[in-house]
Amino acid sequence: GAVVSQHPSRVICKSGTSVKIECRSLDFQATTMFWYRQFPKQSLMLMATSNEGSKATYEQGVEKDKFLINHASLTLSTLTVTSAHPEDSSFYICSASPGALNSGYTFGSGTRLTVV
Amino acid sequence: QKEVEQDPGPLSVPEGAIVSLNCTYSNSAFQYFMWYRQYSRKGPELLMYTYSSGNKEDGRFTAQVDKSSKYISLFIRDSQPSDSATYLCAMSESGGYQKVTFGTGTKLQVIP
Repeated sequence: GAVVSQHPSRVICKSGTSVKIECRSLDFQATTMFWYRQFPKQSLMLMATSNEGSKATYEQGVEKDKFLINHASLTLSTLTVTSAHPEDSSFYICSASPGALNSGYTFGSGTRLTVV
Repeated sequence: QKEVEQDPGPLSVPEGAIVSLNCTYSNSAFQYFMWYRQYSRKGPELLMYTYSSGNKEDGRFTAQVDKSSKYISLFIRDSQPSDSATYLCAMSESGGYQKVTFGTGTKLQVIP
C-alpha cells in the first residue's frame, strides 16, 4: 500500500530557531501533499496544501512566512517552522494520496515539535 | 455549526462488544467518506474509504454512508483491546487531491 514517511518523529528546539520537517511518499508520486497540525485532544487542522513545483496554498489564519513549505519533487515536501516559539509546539502531520480510486489519503507518522 | 460533527467520547466498551461510531455533516457536496484510526502520538491510519451512499465491509469493520441524512457510521464487531484508539471520520467533495475535512475524533477504549 501507499506509504508516507515523515521525519523527524520528535524534535526539541530553542525558541527563535527554525525546524525543518520532511514528508516523503515512498512508493508513489504525490503532486499534492497536505500539512496538518493537531493539538492535544483535538482533530487535525489543515494548515496548507503543498503543490509540486508551485507555491503552497495556505489556509486562512496560517502565516505563510512562519510555516514555509517547499515541494521540490514528486516525492518530497518540507515544512519549515521559522523563528519557532513555544506556542508553535504541536503535533505536525503530513498526508498524500496516490490519487487512485479507493486509495484515500495516507498519513505520515507525525512530528512532535517542542519549543523551549 | 461545524462542517463535520463527531462525538468526542470517550466511549468505553467491554471486549467483544459491537462498537458504533458516527458522524454527521452539513456539506451536501461531500461524496468521499473515510474512517481513520489514530493511536496516541501517531499519524492517522486509513481504515475505510467509501464513495457515496451504501455499505462497505472489511473484516470486523463496516462503514455505512447515508447521504440523504448526512450521516456516516463505522461499526466494529468483536472489539478487541487493540482497537482502543481515537477514530476520526473524514470526508471530501472529490477524491484524489481534494482537501479533506475531519471530525474531532471519538476516543474508544475496549476493556479486556
